[in-house]
Amino acid sequence: RKEVEQDPGPFNVPEGATVAFNCTYSNSASQSFFWYRQDCRKEPKLLMSVYSSGNEDGRFTAQLNRASQYISLLIRDSKLSDSATYLCVVNSLAAGTALIFGKGTTLSVSS
Amino acid sequence: EAQVTQNPRYLITVTGKKLTVTCSQNMNHEYMSWYRQDPGLGLRQIYYSMNVEVTDKGDVPEGYKVSRKEKRNFPLILESPSPNQTSLYFCASTLRPGYEQYFGPGTRLTVT
Repeated sequence: RKEVEQDPGPFNVPEGATVAFNCTYSNSASQSFFWYRQDCRKEPKLLMSVYSSGNEDGRFTAQLNRASQYISLLIRDSKLSDSATYLCVVNSLAAGTALIFGKGTTLSVSS
Repeated sequence: EAQVTQNPRYLITVTGKKLTVTCSQNMNHEYMSWYRQDPGLGLRQIYYSMNVEVTDKGDVPEGYKVSRKEKRNFPLILESPSPNQTSLYFCASTLRPGYEQYFGPGTRLTVT
């Protein structure tokens, strides 16, 4: 089983739509979880951390289910500017290998 | 401004010609990493450094070297580049493992 798995997409949605991305991770002892955003050919940037209680930042909601080893990202009222690749990221407890990145889910929002 | 810088941003070179990609951060981070990103394979860690003079292999270290003589700098060295090292390379730093990583803008390397 791969350490972090994501549906690669692409997800093609119209402006204003609600879209959800899912991610599963294999190491039950993982402790830190993040969603990063990466625009085409640019560096990944932190979108939001994911906490056990779930957290929200504007139109973005992240949730963590430790029992199922599952992370989600919900984007409401999609904007054209949300078009990007979203990377699910989990920390690894292997010595020094700080973060394990999923391969990303591509979102394309159209007008 | 807190940032990670990389140079060069773009490089085309030939097989076997040694090259160095520089990376520098101004956030006083102890932990730095190098990644390569290839289509369909995602981000893979090449090397990392927990602190000055402390480096270790990541998932794909073959064909690469690094050094960490100063806290702010973490250069990536390709002693004898080969075409399979054509990739997009990112340097990243973080305060400590498991925390948010800050990425440099990337270096697009082509080896012919």
